[in-house]
Amino acid sequence: GENVEQHPSTLSVQEGDSAVIKCTYSDSASNYFPWYKQELGKGPQLIIDIRSNVGEKKDQRIAVTLNKTAKHFSLHITETQPEDSAVYFCAASKPSGKLSFGAGTTVTVRA
Amino acid sequence: EAGVAQSPRYKIIEKRQSVAFWCNPISGHATLYWYQQILGQGPKLLIQFQNNGVVDDSQLPKDRFSAERLKGVDSTLKIQPAKLEDSAVYLCASSLGQVNSNVLTFGAGSRLTVL
Repeated sequence: GENVEQHPSTLSVQEGDSAVIKCTYSDSASNYFPWYKQELGKGPQLIIDIRSNVGEKKDQRIAVTLNKTAKHFSLHITETQPEDSAVYFCAASKPSGKLSFGAGTTVTVRA
Repeated sequence: EAGVAQSPRYKIIEKRQSVAFWCNPISGHATLYWYQQILGQGPKLLIQFQNNGVVDDSQLPKDRFSAERLKGVDSTLKIQPAKLEDSAVYLCASSLGQVNSNVLTFGAGSRLTVL
């Protein structure tokens, strides 16, 4: 099955700085790569996703890049704010297949 | 639109007891998922339904876990008997179920503590 690895496990950044989280996947047939944000006591919430037919996608302060050859994708958060503090999960799946999640990155934004 | 509803939010039981969790997906979503999230880990798929049929239950511990979605809408996940290692948050998610549309919406989860 698909194996998704995520780094780092924890990330502390100063407010206003950028945060980068990286993930690798094992199955070259995977074509859908979402990122979820999970706040304490809540379920994961989709923040951005990318499909394998594009290399980069941006939505305001967040962006995701995908390198299919190397089988890795990254989340970039710019101008971080305290409300960005949460656990972030990457995931990967094949068409109509199940999502396999990374272990998560706890992001702390210091004021 | 209303989100994915789950209940109960919290449950504490002793080992060997049974427990059931309920999920009501987003209206019109054909696909329903149950994930197990152990503290400090990412969600792990237990079972996936397409309407009222099982698509994938390869990771479901069938000796103690069962799930059903009888009318293709609500779903129930049951654990009997519970073990200490079943302590986790059980997340329900749903999606439209169309090809190349596996965008999942999660509920808030049901936190289970087994003593």
